[in-house]
Amino acid sequence: NAGVTQTPKFQVLKTGQSMTLQCAQDMNHEYMSWYRQDPGMGLRLIHYSVGAGITDQGEVPNGYNVSRSTTEDFPLRLLSAAPSQTSVYFCASSDPGHNSYEQYFGPGTRLTVT
Amino acid sequence: QQQVKQSPQSLIVQKGGISIINCAYENTAFDYFPWYQQFPGKGPALLIAIRPDVSEKKEGRFTISFNKSAKQFSLHIMDSQPGDSATYFCAASRSNYQLIWGAGTKLIIKP
Repeated sequence: NAGVTQTPKFQVLKTGQSMTLQCAQDMNHEYMSWYRQDPGMGLRLIHYSVGAGITDQGEVPNGYNVSRSTTEDFPLRLLSAAPSQTSVYFCASSDPGHNSYEQYFGPGTRLTVT
Repeated sequence: QQQVKQSPQSLIVQKGGISIINCAYENTAFDYFPWYQQFPGKGPALLIAIRPDVSEKKEGRFTISFNKSAKQFSLHIMDSQPGDSATYFCAASRSNYQLIWGAGTKLIIKP
C-alpha cells in the first residue's frame, strides 16, 4: 500500500494563477479531507468528503474547490491564488466503516504564492 | 466556537526526562481525543488516542491522562529520547470524524 500520496511536493504560484493539488489513497477509505497548516495555528480543515460524490466545507473553504468522483482521488483546486494561501497542505483519509477515527496523512504540498 | 487549546507552544526536555503537553477543550460532546506526532517534512501520524470513559491510557513510554470534569487531557512521554523530538498535536472529535486541532507543541529533547 502506498497509503496517501500527494503531488506536487512543492509549488510556487503567482497571484491570480490557478492550480490543482492532487491527493490519492489506496486504502479504500470513504472519508477524505484537506487541511492547511500554518505556524502556530495547527491544522485547519478546508474541505472534506464522506464518499464519492459527496463533499462539504470545513473551517476555511474560501478560495478552494473540491470534487470527489472516485473513492481514491480527492483533488483540491485553488481558483485564483493569493499570498494568504501560502501554506503547507495536507490530505488525509480515514475509515469510519470500522469505527476508526484515525486519519492517515499524506506527505504534504508546500505552496508559496508570490 | 469549538476550540482545543494546547500548551506549551514549545518545550525543551533533557534526555531521560518526562515531557508533558497539555490540552483543554470546551465542547463536552467531544468523545475522542487523539495525539498526533509530526516530524519535519512529514504529515502527522497518530500516536495514541483516548475516549472519555477512561482516565488514562498507556502505550509504551506514551501516556494520555484524561480529566473529564476539568475538560483537560495531557500527553506524558516518559524517558524522553532525542528521537521523540517532533511537533505534537492534540485534537478532539465529536463522532463525525472531523478533528478539531490544537496549535501544536514543538518538543526538543536535548542529549
